[in-house]
Amino acid sequence: DAKTTQPPSMDCAEGRAANLPCNHSTISGNEYVYWYRQIHSQGPQYIIHGLKNNETNEMASLIITEDRKSSTLILPHATLRDTAVYYCIVARSQGGSEKLVFGKGTKLTVNP
Amino acid sequence: GAVVSQHPSWVICKSGTSVKIECRSLDFQATTMFWYRQFPKQSLMLMATSNEGSKATYEQGVEKDKFLINHASLTLSTLTVTSAHPEDSSFYICSARQPYEQYFGPGTRLTVT
Repeated sequence: DAKTTQPPSMDCAEGRAANLPCNHSTISGNEYVYWYRQIHSQGPQYIIHGLKNNETNEMASLIITEDRKSSTLILPHATLRDTAVYYCIVARSQGGSEKLVFGKGTKLTVNP
Repeated sequence: GAVVSQHPSWVICKSGTSVKIECRSLDFQATTMFWYRQFPKQSLMLMATSNEGSKATYEQGVEKDKFLINHASLTLSTLTVTSAHPEDSSFYICSARQPYEQYFGPGTRLTVT
C-alpha cells in the first residue's frame, strides 16, 4: 500500500503557483520523498525528490516539513501543459532495488 | 535525462495469442527494470522487478507463468503476455533504475479482442 495521502484533485489558474500537498506521517528516517507526474496516456515523469531539506530544480520546488510528516510540491508558474496526475511517493534511496509504490495521486487541472 | 523506450506503443491481439513488449534503456545500462500495469482511471500497479541475468521477482497476485519477463542484457527487458485474454487489456509501463531516479518508458497499450 502507498504510504502517502494526497487530495484527489486540485485546480490552478494558468500562471499562478500550484501547491500540491502530501501527507506521509509514517515516513522512516532513511526514506526519501519523490514526486512524479503522469500526463494522460504517457509514462510517469520524474520531478524532484528530497530527504529533509527543501529542494529546487528547473521544474519545481519541494518543501518538506521539519518533522518530515508532510511535504508540498510547488510549481511556481503553472502552465496548461502541467495538467497531469501528480504522485507523491516515499521510498528509500533507489540505490538498491527499492520499488516505487504509486498511490492514487492528485489530478491537477490548470485552467486558462 | 535518461531515455527509456518501449515497443510497440500499442498492440491489438486476439484472445489466446501471446504478445511481447520490449523495454530498452537507450543511453544507460540498467541492471534493474520494473514492469507496471495501469487500468483506466487507476494508478500504476507494480507487476514485477526484472533483474539482469537472473529471474524476475513478481508481486503478489501476478502470475509468473502468464507474464514472462526476460532481462537478458543491461539495456533490454521484455514482457511476454501469454495466452492473452480481454481482461489483460491494459497500459503496460516499464521503468529502468538509475542511482537516484527511475526513468519510465512511454507505455504500451495492449488491447485483447
